[in-house]
Amino acid sequence: DAKTTQPTSMDCAEGRAANLPCNHSTISGNEYVYWYRQIHSQGPQYIIHGLKNNETNEMASLIITEDRKSSTLILPHATLRDTAVYYCIVRGSGTSYGKLTFGQGTILTVHP
Amino acid sequence: DTGVSQNPRHKITKRGQNVTFRCDPISEHNRLYWYRQTLGQGPEFLTYFQNEAQLEKSRLLSDRFSAERPKGSFSTLEIQRTEQGDSAMYLCASSLGAAAKNIQYFGAGTRLSVL
Repeated sequence: DAKTTQPTSMDCAEGRAANLPCNHSTISGNEYVYWYRQIHSQGPQYIIHGLKNNETNEMASLIITEDRKSSTLILPHATLRDTAVYYCIVRGSGTSYGKLTFGQGTILTVHP
Repeated sequence: DTGVSQNPRHKITKRGQNVTFRCDPISEHNRLYWYRQTLGQGPEFLTYFQNEAQLEKSRLLSDRFSAERPKGSFSTLEIQRTEQGDSAMYLCASSLGAAAKNIQYFGAGTRLSVL
């Protein structure tokens, strides 16, 4: 699985959009980008994933660049409860792929 | 759908003791994963099962660690002769399959403290 690079920490004001970047310059054609977050003392929570098209769900939007070497997770209206560690993960698809490889993630702090 | 359940939530043990953790996956999920997370780090993969077959084991899974999923439903992770370095959060996840659309859902974890 390709390696990802994320900023160590970011701040965001409550009610504003939080834009979390991720670099995955060695991503290959069949690898997907997944985002999870982990609130203190809880298990990771799935947010969204995508291959090459932009994706949106009730939690967030995922913007993947055309060359697929980077992506941005967007939380459109951040709340205090969005304070968490956000992990960007690249993983292949198919039956031969299993594990998720987590990096250090980005600590997002949402301020009042 | 009651989510992935892990028991116990917390375990305190003395060095040298054996401990066993249990994971109940989401019903009908055929894949079950174990991860370990130490303070300040992201989760690290330990092993995973497809039904009852253990398909991959990480080098982190030393001989003191053993995982089973005897009937393809719940799984247990046992650590023998615990060491202080085993202190960590042990996370279980399950998915319906391996395809991209089959998301891994995590339990709340079992926090192990070895004194």
